[in-house]
Amino acid sequence: AQSVTQLGSHVSVSEGALVLLRCNYSSSVPPYLFWYVQYPNQGLQLLLKYTTGATLVKGINGFEAEFKKSETSFHLTKPSAHMSDAAEYFCAVTSYQAGTALIFGKGTTLSVSS
Amino acid sequence: DVKVTQSSRYLVKRTGEKVFLECVQDMDHENMFWYRQDPGLGLRLIYFSYDVKMKEKGDIPEGYSVSREKKERFSLILESASTNQTSMYLCASSLKAGGTTEAFFGQGTRLTVV
Repeated sequence: AQSVTQLGSHVSVSEGALVLLRCNYSSSVPPYLFWYVQYPNQGLQLLLKYTTGATLVKGINGFEAEFKKSETSFHLTKPSAHMSDAAEYFCAVTSYQAGTALIFGKGTTLSVSS
Repeated sequence: DVKVTQSSRYLVKRTGEKVFLECVQDMDHENMFWYRQDPGLGLRLIYFSYDVKMKEKGDIPEGYSVSREKKERFSLILESASTNQTSMYLCASSLKAGGTTEAFFGQGTRLTVV
């Protein structure tokens, strides 16, 4: 079975500060990993994904994440926070195997103050 | 653009009613998912389907059933609605079995059971 743990249900940063949202996964097979963002009263939107290949992946809005197999982590970062980044962020895991579910973490709410 | 459409944004139903939540995707995706989203609990998988007439239980299938008679449509059924099923329900679809591509989400249905 696969699972995701997001450390910190709420993260607060100042505008211009580094954003770091933590995600650790558990998977018995090579994982595919995703970060999604949800703005208030909206659906989920893909930020970035890792399937195979380069372990540092870049996404939309200046976000990036690094797959670290040895640490079973896929942390999301952004060098400089913007007010518009305030949202809820979800990490998710699946695998290449047919019939594998897409499992989400509990989410991290990011607040950005001016 | 991929479109995942959920039949209702808001629903209010009475305890004991049979409730149908409908989801349609327009991109010939193989995988379809139903999640419920509750504050602090993230997205929890109820059921998913990787092919027509195929279904797999997720983490919280009790009190729910699903139907997938056509590839584009995935229905979630609450056999006898209860107040603890008041929640936001999200439908998603993805292209290939095995999760090689990202999931696309509908806007969600906020269900209130009174």
